[in-house]
Amino acid sequence: AQSVTQPDIHITVSEGASLELRCNYSYGATPYLFWYVQSPGQGLQLLLKYFSGDTLVQGIKGFEAEFKRSQSSFNLRKPSVHWSDAAEYFCACIYSWGKLQFGAGTQVVVTP
Amino acid sequence: DVKVTQSSRYLVKRTGEKVFLECVQDMDHENMFWYRQDPGLGLRLIYFSYDVKMKEKGDIPEGYSVSREKKERFSLILESASTNQTSMYLCASSFSRQEQYFGPGTRLTVT
Repeated sequence: AQSVTQPDIHITVSEGASLELRCNYSYGATPYLFWYVQSPGQGLQLLLKYFSGDTLVQGIKGFEAEFKRSQSSFNLRKPSVHWSDAAEYFCACIYSWGKLQFGAGTQVVVTP
Repeated sequence: DVKVTQSSRYLVKRTGEKVFLECVQDMDHENMFWYRQDPGLGLRLIYFSYDVKMKEKGDIPEGYSVSREKKERFSLILESASTNQTSMYLCASSFSRQEQYFGPGTRLTVT
């Protein structure tokens, strides 16, 4: 069965520091992978997606993610975090009929 | 830009009431989804629809039903609301196996 794992429930990072959020997936075929961000009380916003091609994907708000098939990973990175990046981040993988399997989410706290 | 709207941001209902949550998308997407989101449990799929009048159960359909009479509108119905249905409800839409676009969510409290 397909699954998406985000090992870190909570991450605290200083403003200006780099951020990396981990995501591992388990899926038999070539995965379609996504990262979403959710600000408090809001819906989910798509940060970036990977379907095929270049394994380094650029997204909005200065985020990027790298697909590594050998490690079944799709980690999200940002070189320099801003206070507005404090939010919950979800990794997701498409499976049948366009349904998404979500990870449990990683809460990011940004300190001054 | 894709826009997915939900009828209410906040809703308070009493136990036993019938509750309708409505979702409208403006991008002619064929797929529409209803999720509930609870702390520590992430997003769980309740129902989805891949065409008008078509619906499929998700992971947690018990206590819910849905209706899709028009392509742009997908309704979630709680036939008899219970306190354990207090949650954040998120609607989403997508085209085929593409990314899903989410509405702002409805925070439902059942008292």
